[in-house]
Amino acid sequence: DAKTTQPPSMDCAEGRAANLPCNHSTISGNEYVYWYRQIHSQGPQYIIHGLKNNETNEMASLIITEDRKSSTLILPHATLRDTAVYYCIVRLMNTGFQKLVFGTGTRLLVSP
Amino acid sequence: GAVVSQHPSRVICKSGTSVKIECRSLDFQATTMFWYRQFPKQSLMLMATSNEGSKATYEQGVEKDKFLINHASLTLSTLTVTSAHPEDSSFYICSASSSYNEQFFGPGTRLTVL
Repeated sequence: DAKTTQPPSMDCAEGRAANLPCNHSTISGNEYVYWYRQIHSQGPQYIIHGLKNNETNEMASLIITEDRKSSTLILPHATLRDTAVYYCIVRLMNTGFQKLVFGTGTRLLVSP
Repeated sequence: GAVVSQHPSRVICKSGTSVKIECRSLDFQATTMFWYRQFPKQSLMLMATSNEGSKATYEQGVEKDKFLINHASLTLSTLTVTSAHPEDSSFYICSASSSYNEQFFGPGTRLTVL
């Protein structure tokens, strides 16, 4: 599995956009970038994933650089409930049996 | 998204006893289930992968005789912590997936061994 690097923590003001970076310089051509988040004392929650195009859903947007060596998760209008640890993971898609390898993630604190 | 449940959400037990944790996929058939462990302020660590009807595959360093995993049906997997000790106190999380979808995580079970 390709390794990812994320900043350990970030702060964001409520209502502002939160931009969470992730480096995955060893990603292979058939690996996708996945984002999960874990709110304190809960199981991880799937947010979004992408291969090379930018993706958007009701929760967030994912921007992947052209060389695919890094990506940014964007929460457009952060709320206090977005305070969580965010994990960037690279994995093969369409392989439900493939294990996920969690790094240390980014602890996002959204403040009033 | 699909729903995965865990039971119990919290359990406290005495040292030396065994504890069983259930993981259920409520609205889909899970051909594969995963068990993770998370210590305070640390990331999730995969313990084992189980496929329905076959033996679980354990990660290096995880004792298979201590952490018994059964995946007898497409909607249920169980993790039994045998002869629990205080160092087994942790947050145990399962996830489930079918062949071609994402992993969906349960809410976790907090185990405290006294």
